[in-house]
Amino acid sequence: NAGVTQTPKFQVLKTGQSMTLQCAQDMNHEYMSWYRQDPGMGLRLIHYSVGAGITDQGEVPNGYNVSRSTTEDFPLRLLSAAPSQTSVYFCASRTVAAEAFFGQGTRLTVV
Amino acid sequence: RKEVEQDPGPFNVPEGATVAFNCTYSNSASQSFFWYRQDCRKEPKLLMSVYSSGNEDGRFTAQLNRASQYISLLIRDSKLSDSATYLCVEFTGNQFYFGTGTSLTVIP
Repeated sequence: NAGVTQTPKFQVLKTGQSMTLQCAQDMNHEYMSWYRQDPGMGLRLIHYSVGAGITDQGEVPNGYNVSRSTTEDFPLRLLSAAPSQTSVYFCASRTVAAEAFFGQGTRLTVV
Repeated sequence: RKEVEQDPGPFNVPEGATVAFNCTYSNSASQSFFWYRQDCRKEPKLLMSVYSSGNEDGRFTAQLNRASQYISLLIRDSKLSDSATYLCVEFTGNQFYFGTGTSLTVIP
């Protein structure tokens, strides 16, 4: 059972570079979200989607873009990486008010 | 405004001990609450939902106190494998809000 699959698991970027974090789920969930987790801050919502073609901003959206062209995929794009974006990124999917399933996370370092 | 507050710990307890974590929330209209477990460098996973009447799952008991706006997690007969970070989660406005987590280490 794949669940939520995130790639890559680790990434080092130079300041100013762009990249896309991939997220795919095979549970046919409507809701997908991207979080970042920093020490002492807990998980903070970056962007979310309630279905294909619909996305919205979360608590910390600046510097990130998302799209949802299919139910399965929800990529997160870093437009111009900054050291402040060094973090662990988690993708999650769920149905309306049920358990959120998380991917294994991407550890991103921006130097 | 922080939605969910947790004591970060760490809690260091001997095997077999009983340990309790509390979590406060600020939105009195919040609909649902959960406890998630996160092992070091891993993704969070659902431990249990929290129901208004309280609920138990083996050694774990979750309670919700709406009047005082807190939820709790009680772990009885702690095992070494219980060592992890426990995240309190509030579901409101169709979003999940996560606490910063409480770190538990169970010592042999």
